[in-house]
Amino acid sequence: KAGVTQTPRYLIKTRGQQVTLSCSPISGHRSVSWYQQTPGQGLQFLFEYFSETQRNKGNFPGRFSGRQFSNSRSEMNVSTLELGDSALYLCASSKDPSGANVLTFGAGSRLTVL
Amino acid sequence: ILNVEQSPQSLHVQEGDSTNFTCSFPSSNFYALHWYRWETAKSPEALFVMTLNGDEKKKGRISATLNTKEGYSYLYIKGSQPEDSATYLCASQGSTGANNLFFGTGTRLTVIP
Repeated sequence: KAGVTQTPRYLIKTRGQQVTLSCSPISGHRSVSWYQQTPGQGLQFLFEYFSETQRNKGNFPGRFSGRQFSNSRSEMNVSTLELGDSALYLCASSKDPSGANVLTFGAGSRLTVL
Repeated sequence: ILNVEQSPQSLHVQEGDSTNFTCSFPSSNFYALHWYRWETAKSPEALFVMTLNGDEKKKGRISATLNTKEGYSYLYIKGSQPEDSATYLCASQGSTGANNLFFGTGTRLTVIP
């Protein structure tokens, strides 16, 4: 079965612009979570969606937002981009929003902000 | 926020050597401990999820143990092979059991043929 699909894989933006990243989970997975990785940092949790509702949010400014659609696909948006937003953004899906669930990750979207 | 520490940051071993890494996490507010393998240019891949103190899990030449009382987990690789070269991430899942994991910065393993 298809894995977690993230688009676009690479993108370059300039400061002040906004960006939207997309994530399609594995079929049957209804929980989608997003993580940011910057150099020297571990994966940092952004937010998690289940049944079109944000269930948890990490410690990121309001410029970072997301949503989930009825087919479980999720998007995240970053507005007013800053240089420090340059990072690899990973999404992960699982069947359930809680419990000792294995997360299945996508290949990531690498954002460069100039 | 749960501080998860991994050591060493990186290591190089010869093919055939066995090796192990450490993950430490706060023992309070604990639900589960995850290990992932992340090969360059690929997605992180789940190895193990453990919840109980004393848990041991094994997948081929890779195994992991969990001590929730003292807050650490070990990952062991027996007879390392070049294809084991990757970054190994551990992540702690807080007591709510929600899917927001707290990741360490990883141990980067290079196996020299």
